Amino acid sequence: ETGVTQTPRHLVMGMTNKKSLKCEQHLGHNAMYWYKQSAKKPLELMFVYSLEERVENNSVPSRFSPECPNSSHLFLHLHTLQPEDSALYLCASSQDLAGGLLTDTQYFGPGTRLTVL
Amino acid sequence: RKEVEQDPGPFNVPEGATVAFNCTYSNSASQSFFWYRQDCRKEPKLLMSVYSSGNEDGRFTAQLNRASQYISLLIRDSKLSDSATYLCVVTIESRGGYQKVTFGTGTKLQVIP
Repeated sequence: ETGVTQTPRHLVMGMTNKKSLKCEQHLGHNAMYWYKQSAKKPLELMFVYSLEERVENNSVPSRFSPECPNSSHLFLHLHTLQPEDSALYLCASSQDLAGGLLTDTQYFGPGTRLTVL
Repeated sequence: RKEVEQDPGPFNVPEGATVAFNCTYSNSASQSFFWYRQDCRKEPKLLMSVYSSGNEDGRFTAQLNRASQYISLLIRDSKLSDSATYLCVVTIESRGGYQKVTFGTGTKLQVIP
């Protein structure tokens, strides 16, 4: 049973739509992440938040806008997406960003499968 | 050179076989290493961490070779339920003192009855 939940699980949107993905972690972790997983490509780290502060933005287009209102919730706001943005979007959390081996483990949510038409 | 490289497979092995995967990483300053398992259309889940001394968990053994910059995963007595994609994960300390996580593309394993 995962301690990280994501909604919606599936989303189909047009290129002019605005939608948001939601992630919630129930693990008491301090760090949260958004990843993009496309077919036959490695997981791509998009954003990293630590204690609600964004610490990494891996050259992600501005049509993706993250929001972290508190350490348990993470949103990814989407607008004017392109068909190539269709992918599985995974949220993850970890205890902290820095620290020893055990604190580096990331726990993933089930993902939102996004299709952009 | 990719930061983390894996043979995508698929590796098709019969039940009971022993199979090994390697994963190479390019940055010698990499600090932490993990194997994750991802079932079809599911999220990745941590399988095991990889330590310099090597570690074993039942049928699974992970090794780290810092000199040659690779990690390995050995699965003994393969079960049908081992069929999945195995993701190699490497972390490195990034600016700001936090860990940057890089995933490999994964190696697909199919265990055949």
